[in-house]
Amino acid sequence: QSALTQPASVSGSPGQSITISCTGTSSDVGSYNLVSWYQQHPGKAPKLMIYEVSKRPSGVSNRFSGSKSGNTASLTISGLQAEDEADYYCCSYAGSSTRVVFGGGTKLTVL
Amino acid sequence: QVTLRESGPALVKPTQTLTLTCTFSGFSLSTSGMCVSWIRQPPGKALEWLALIDWDDDKYYSTSLKTRLTISKDTSKNQVVLTMTNMDPVDTATYYCARTVGTTVVIDYWGQGTLVTVSS
Repeated sequence: QSALTQPASVSGSPGQSITISCTGTSSDVGSYNLVSWYQQHPGKAPKLMIYEVSKRPSGVSNRFSGSKSGNTASLTISGLQAEDEADYYCCSYAGSSTRVVFGGGTKLTVL
Repeated sequence: QVTLRESGPALVKPTQTLTLTCTFSGFSLSTSGMCVSWIRQPPGKALEWLALIDWDDDKYYSTSLKTRLTISKDTSKNQVVLTMTNMDPVDTATYYCARTVGTTVVIDYWGQGTLVTVSS
């Protein structure tokens, strides 16, 4: 299965908002509301930030939000903070046999 | 609380078989909806999903690697084992195991990961 497509990098200044896109196909993102987003700091394991397109796990800041339109999902981070600087990965259910596909990752730089 | 820990060799030679064990606590793989996934990440590269085993012992594999992977579980020991045959230097990566919710494939808890280097 092909990875979901994410921009390699995005950047923003503290306090600003940024959006990271995640483009799949009608076989994964487009067919299921089962997109999740993960934050990964260097040397650390990924952390779940958004699941089922727009739901936040307990303890995740409400500055993080998710949405989906057609085959593209998006993660928006508002009120950027230095601690948000990390790699972000999207992930989608991809059907009963393939099950899971990840995006290529996006490096967020807080200027 | 939910914890997962990966264990296995740090170094394997090309053509050898890798065996990794995930030992977990805080949930049971006999509970409906519970699954464990294996995911890997080559140095400086993206996450790649490898395999998943569910509470009903159903198994799912990455299409590109399915001929080399085997996942199994020992519910009584709270362990999941992944074997990968015919290891190659391109398989050098940090390997993670993670709890996965079966109905939504949400990967909600991750182990710390274990770095496996393939080199002669």
